[in-house]
Amino acid sequence: GAGVSQSPSNKVTEKGKDVELRCDPISGHTALYWYRQRLGQGLEFLIYFQGNSAPDKSGLPSDRFSAERTGESVSTLTIQRTQQEDSAVYLCASSPTPLAVQETQYFGPGTRLLVL
Amino acid sequence: AQSVSQHNHHVILSEAASLELGCNYSYGGTVNLFWYVQYPGQHLQLLLKYFSGDPLVKGIKGFEAEFIKSKFSFNLRKPSVQWSDTAEYFCAVNANDYKLSFGAGTTVTVRA
Repeated sequence: GAGVSQSPSNKVTEKGKDVELRCDPISGHTALYWYRQRLGQGLEFLIYFQGNSAPDKSGLPSDRFSAERTGESVSTLTIQRTQQEDSAVYLCASSPTPLAVQETQYFGPGTRLLVL
Repeated sequence: AQSVSQHNHHVILSEAASLELGCNYSYGGTVNLFWYVQYPGQHLQLLLKYFSGDPLVKGIKGFEAEFIKSKFSFNLRKPSVQWSDTAEYFCAVNANDYKLSFGAGTTVTVRA
């Protein structure tokens, strides 16, 4: 079956511009997660959706970052007024059930963002 | 908050050599443990996971990992690597909530 998909795969933007990153989770997966991976570092958690609500936004680095999700489907991560330190790979993951403890997250290919 | 440490940043070895990647975490409670792998040009894939039961877990492609609770460790092993095992390996921990905490990753290069 289809996995998690993300678009665009690569995005180059100028400092100060807004960008939107899209994630399509695996069909039927109610939980959706965004992570960021900076060069040479592990993944850092950004936000978690249960259905279309976000119980935990604690990982969002600043108020320039926001995310929304439509139902139990597509999610969009928006970065306003991009800065060079926002350059990273943004990864989306989904899992079948929300708030489950013993669950596996399935990752998308990521969007590589470069802010010039 | 829990943290995850991977001891090696880059490992280079020859085909047929044995591989062991270290992973330690800091959390005193119940944990779920994962190893993910990212092959060149591909996305993160689950290699193996531990939730409970036998602390020695087997994953895909001949990999295994051992959970040692007293050492807060979950080391990954493979007895004989192949060139196709060249990849980046990430250890991740879930501490009874929904998010994963990842180590910084270990790049493994296998020379033919």
